[in-house]
Amino acid sequence: EVQLVQSGAEVKKPGESLRISCKGSGYSFTNYWISWVRQMPGKGLEWMGRIDPSDSYTNYSPSFQGHVSISADRSSSTAYLQWSSLKASDTAMYYCARHNLVVVADDSWGQGTLVTVSS
Amino acid sequence: EIVLTQSPGTLSVSPGERATLSCRASQSFSSRYLAWYQQKPGQAPRLLIYGASSRATGIPDRFSGSGSGTDFTLTISRLEPEDFAVYYCQQYASSPGFTFGPGTKVDIK
Repeated sequence: EVQLVQSGAEVKKPGESLRISCKGSGYSFTNYWISWVRQMPGKGLEWMGRIDPSDSYTNYSPSFQGHVSISADRSSSTAYLQWSSLKASDTAMYYCARHNLVVVADDSWGQGTLVTVSS
Repeated sequence: EIVLTQSPGTLSVSPGERATLSCRASQSFSSRYLAWYQQKPGQAPRLLIYGASSRATGIPDRFSGSGSGTDFTLTISRLEPEDFAVYYCQQYASSPGFTFGPGTKVDIK
């Protein structure tokens, strides 16, 4: 069974750093990209970026470029989303998803990680 | 960047009725790069349709997708109680931004 399991909820202060994780299992981790998607409270889905775990090549939405960093560790089948300096506006639910290059869609999703940034 | 517009914003439908959701793009692209997702409150999104018209694994046949170019449609032929949710379209044609539409909420009339 394909599973993406994300790390638990986080509460941080503005200016702090954070890394959240997404561990894939039940499939070959390097054969699928991992996408990250933001959902602010009560709002819609926003595509942030993606990584190809086979070579760590990344693409970012212009809206998120420079503010977050996506990485992956093939040895542990885990992808990461990282901030160096959080803002209150980063408060949101963050989802990772497996991007299937054959069907060209995100066919399996993590359960989400809630990040709260508050002073 | 391709901008997706979904209409209506909210669709009120009775169980058993048909629902038709629209997704329009700011520029034309191959239907291969259009997907639909369903999201229920408190849950992660779920893939419904890929390639504009192909149902994902396990998706009931009351869900169908169609369209090409700039106009795409998701149809739910007979709404079941579990279908009341928010539906998003997403395009994968324009890198680096694989944008989502703003969503259509389908609620009970």
